[in-house]
Order: sequence, then C-alpha cells, then structure tokens
Amino acid sequence: QVQLQESGPGLLKPSETLALMCTVSGGSMASQSWGWVRQSAGKPLEWLGRVYVNGTTDYNPSLKSRLTISADTSKNHFSLRLHSVTAADTAVYFCARDNPYQQLVYWGPGTLVTVSS
Amino acid sequence: DIQMTQSPSSLSASVGDRVTMTCRASQNIDTYLNWYQQKPGKAPHLLIYDASSRDRGVPSRFSGSGSGVDFSLHIMSLQPEDFATYYCQQSYTTPVTFGEGTKVDFK
Repeated sequence: QVQLQESGPGLLKPSETLALMCTVSGGSMASQSWGWVRQSAGKPLEWLGRVYVNGTTDYNPSLKSRLTISADTSKNHFSLRLHSVTAADTAVYFCARDNPYQQLVYWGPGTLVTVSS
Repeated sequence: DIQMTQSPSSLSASVGDRVTMTCRASQNIDTYLNWYQQKPGKAPHLLIYDASSRDRGVPSRFSGSGSGVDFSLHIMSLQPEDFATYYCQQSYTTPVTFGEGTKVDFK
C-alpha cells in the first residue's frame, strides 16, 4: 500500500518561500505522477500541480509563476516550492498520487502551513 | 477553468436515510467526474470515479450517476461513518477542479 507523508515548516512570513517535501513509501515512484492539493478554510480544494517521473510538470495557471514541483525518484520523494507567499497561501497542503485519468488515488495526511508576520 | 457547483452545501440526515447530492459542471465533461469523501482532519478519499464506478473497497450503498454537466452522488442507507463532507472533482481537463463540497451531518 502506497503511503505519502508531507513535511516542512508550519509557519512562514510573507514574501518567504514555502518548501514542502512528500516522502513516498510502500511502493515505487516509477510510472506515476505526483502532485499537490491545498485546502484553505472556507474554500474548495485547489489542485496546485503535478510532476511526472520523467520530470515533466503541469501547474495550475493561477500559481504557475510562483510554483515549482520536482521529484527525486532515487530518494522516493517529491517537492513543492512556492515563492513569495502571502496570507492567502495559508492552507493545509496535501501531496497525492494521481493516475493517468487525473483521479487522486493516494493522499498524504496533510500539513498545515500558516503565513503570518 | 471548469467551475464545479455542488448542492446543497450541507444537509442533515439520520442513519438509514437515503441521501442525494448534486454537482454541476460549467461545461460538458462527459463522465470525467469523481467523488471524494473527507472527514474532519483527514485527507479526502476517492469514492467514485468516472461518474459511476466505485473505487476498491467502497461500500455498495454509494452510487454515482450523470454525464455531461449534471451529476449525483447517492448514499442508499446512511451509516454513522458516512457523516462527512463530499467533494466532486472534474478530471476532464487540467487544471482539475473541485466543487465546494456538501457536508452531511446528523439531523
């Protein structure tokens, strides 16, 4: 059974860069795509983007200019970097594995990120 | 982006009730529609994919229907563990987008 676990800082200041890592266990990262979803209070789930094992990425256009997602399959993890954060980036961030049909099949438990001065 | 609108935003029900919630897409998405269940403090969990197929291990009391722009999730006989928030998601195009959720709570 594939398991995912997010890690990273829980508190950032405005203008800083958010860096999160998702560690994959119980299976190989090969031949899959891996992504990030966030959930802000009172807002729908927001898909942020994904990385394929060949390094290709898809991003949500609303965040594309600030977002980088990358993967290190040799270490079984993938990462998110979101630049120039503001309070609007405060959310629970989930990492997830999706399938070729864009269904999010496995999820990490989520990590709360708060942006505050 | 494709907008997903769910209704109602919340509903109150009792154990044993039949429950239906709906999801409407802002454009035709064929059957590229998935449903997730989320309990407080937990990640969402895939229930239904491609509008009407149950994911592995999902009880048969859950069913999905619809195509095009209008979709429904039905719970035949509500169980205590079904009190949760349900989200629809379109997987027709990138970026995938979610509805705002329907919260099912105790009457």
